[in-house]
Formats: sequence, structure tokens, C-alpha cells
Amino acid sequence: EAGVAQSPRYKIIEKRQSVAFWCNPISGHATLYWYQQILGQGPKLLIQFQNNGVVDDSQLPKDRFSAERLKGVDSTLKIQPAKLEDSAVYLCASSLVEREAYNEQFFGPGTRLTVL
Amino acid sequence: AQSVAQPEDQVNVAEGNPLTVKCTYSVSGNPYLFWYVQYPNRGLQFLLKYITGDNLVKGSYGFEAEFNKSQTSFHLKKPSALVSDSALYFCAVRDVNRDDKIIFGKGTRLHILP
Repeated sequence: EAGVAQSPRYKIIEKRQSVAFWCNPISGHATLYWYQQILGQGPKLLIQFQNNGVVDDSQLPKDRFSAERLKGVDSTLKIQPAKLEDSAVYLCASSLVEREAYNEQFFGPGTRLTVL
Repeated sequence: AQSVAQPEDQVNVAEGNPLTVKCTYSVSGNPYLFWYVQYPNRGLQFLLKYITGDNLVKGSYGFEAEFNKSQTSFHLKKPSALVSDSALYFCAVRDVNRDDKIIFGKGTRLHILP
């Protein structure tokens, strides 16, 4: 089966600019996650969707970050305006059913964002 | 609050020797525990998980992990290391009796010496 797709793979922007990342999960996966992975750290959950509804966005900096999953499939994560500390790899993951918490997540290759 | 610790930033092992990557956790209820591996320029890949049952869990690529409730540990092991095992390994925990959020450790870089 096809894996989780993400684009772009790399992005370089200047601070205060905007950027958007796209994710296409594995077909049939109802749950989608966005993570931020700063160099030297583990992934940190930003937002979690089940179908097109938000399950958890408690760690999403809502003053600058937004995410949507309008049709319950693809998702977009946006940063506006970007700060230097947003430099990180942004990972998208999907899983079959969130409430069955023992399901493993399938990760995309990530988008490496550099903010200058 | 739940947490997970990987006390070693890097582990070096000679090829053919057994390897252990350590993980300890803290949750208020029963944990669901996971190991993921990350190769350069790639996303995380699932290795294995502990949900319930046997404390020794077997996973992909010959890896296994032992759940120890009294020591709150879930160390990753492999009897004979391969150079291709060199990667970044993450332990993760979910406290299913609380907010169900998954927490990842900071990662341990495993370096297998040929």
C-alpha cells in the first residue's frame, strides 16, 4: 500500500513569511497527526484529527499555526508568520482508528523547514 | 503527567554483539508502549509495541523489547547487531487512562561499528 505522502520535502523561508505543508494519509486511515520535530528532540504532537474533526490541538501555537482537513482525507498545516524557532521537521502520520489507542502510526518522510 | 525518558543520547555497539537501547516511562495508569526507528531523511517507522500480555514483545528486523512494570522500563534489544541497524530510535508511551496523548522520548542514536 502507498505510504503517507508529504510535500514539499524541504522549504526555506525568511522570518515573518508564511508557509504551508501538505499531507495525504494512507487510504482508509481516519486519524491524522501533525508533529513538530526539532533537531535533537522527539516528535511533539501539534494537532490530531479524526476524519475532519479536531481531537487534540492543545499544543498547537494557535496565534501562528493553523491546520485543516476539510474532507477528512488530505490535510494542510500553515504557519503565518514564521519565527526562527519554527525551524524543524514537520511530520505527518496516520492511523486506522484513534480510539483504539494501541494502533501504531504510519509516518510520512517529513518536511524540513528552515526559517532564516 | 506522563513522560518517557531515553537516558542515552548515543549507543555504540560492535557488529554481531547484542544491543540494548534503554527507555523508562511514567504514567498514572496502564501504559501502551512503542518503539519507532528513524533512518536519515525518512519518517519514523514502527518497530514494535506492548499493549498487554507477554512482557517480551517481538517486532520488525529481529528487534524485541521487554516490558518491566516494576522498573517502569521498556528496553529495546537485539541479540546480534547489524551495521544497517544504525539509526535513531524513539520510545513512545500513551497513558490510555488519561488524555490518551502519545509522548515520544528524545531519541537514542544507535551506531553499529563494523
